[in-house]
Amino acid sequence: DQQVKQNSPSLSVQEGRISILNCDYTNSMFDYFLWYKKYPAEGPTFLISISSIKDKNEDGRFTVFLNKSAKHLSLHIVPSQPGDSAVYFCAAITEIQGAQKLVFGQGTRLTINP
Amino acid sequence: GAGVSQTPSNKVTEKGKYVELRCDPISGHTALYWYRQSLGQGPEFLIYFQGTGAADDSGLPNDRFFAVRPEGSVSTLKIQRTERGDSAVYLCASSLGTPRGTQYFGPGTRLLVL
Repeated sequence: DQQVKQNSPSLSVQEGRISILNCDYTNSMFDYFLWYKKYPAEGPTFLISISSIKDKNEDGRFTVFLNKSAKHLSLHIVPSQPGDSAVYFCAAITEIQGAQKLVFGQGTRLTINP
Repeated sequence: GAGVSQTPSNKVTEKGKYVELRCDPISGHTALYWYRQSLGQGPEFLIYFQGTGAADDSGLPNDRFFAVRPEGSVSTLKIQRTERGDSAVYLCASSLGTPRGTQYFGPGTRLLVL
């Protein structure tokens, strides 16, 4: 049972435009959400997070939006740059088990075209 | 400072053999995690250590998988009687151990079972 879903395996965006990556979850116990970015042959690196008590968190070019009623979150990157080309994973944490276990989505491969 | 390191970076073995994968966490990080990433999927949680003890091993797929962290630093993931289905990238992460603390990932060990 996939509790965190990223339904778009890939996304292609023109440099300078906005990239929007989507994520849905099914477990209502999730209370903290994260986005990780992964380059080939490297481990995932933390990008941005959001607590379930908020609906938006912004960090530079990256903004994460959370819609709890829809169990949906999205990552906006604007403006998109070639270095943003990577696989992006959405992940969630539940307070159960000490809020330590990350549950990941399948990932979305983002390609930024010059 | 040094990040999470994992050795070997690649491991090829034959079905039925025993393998050990090593993880060196960031110095001072009390929490250590193992995840497994199969092709086209996101990382899946295997086990989490707080200090020397396994706080949550609910993700280990069966009793062929075992992990230790005897001194609360380096961890070894051990797989007995490997099967072709064990082929994946095994990722290690560490954190300060606080709830929702950022997990920092190593580059992973790519295991191929022939």
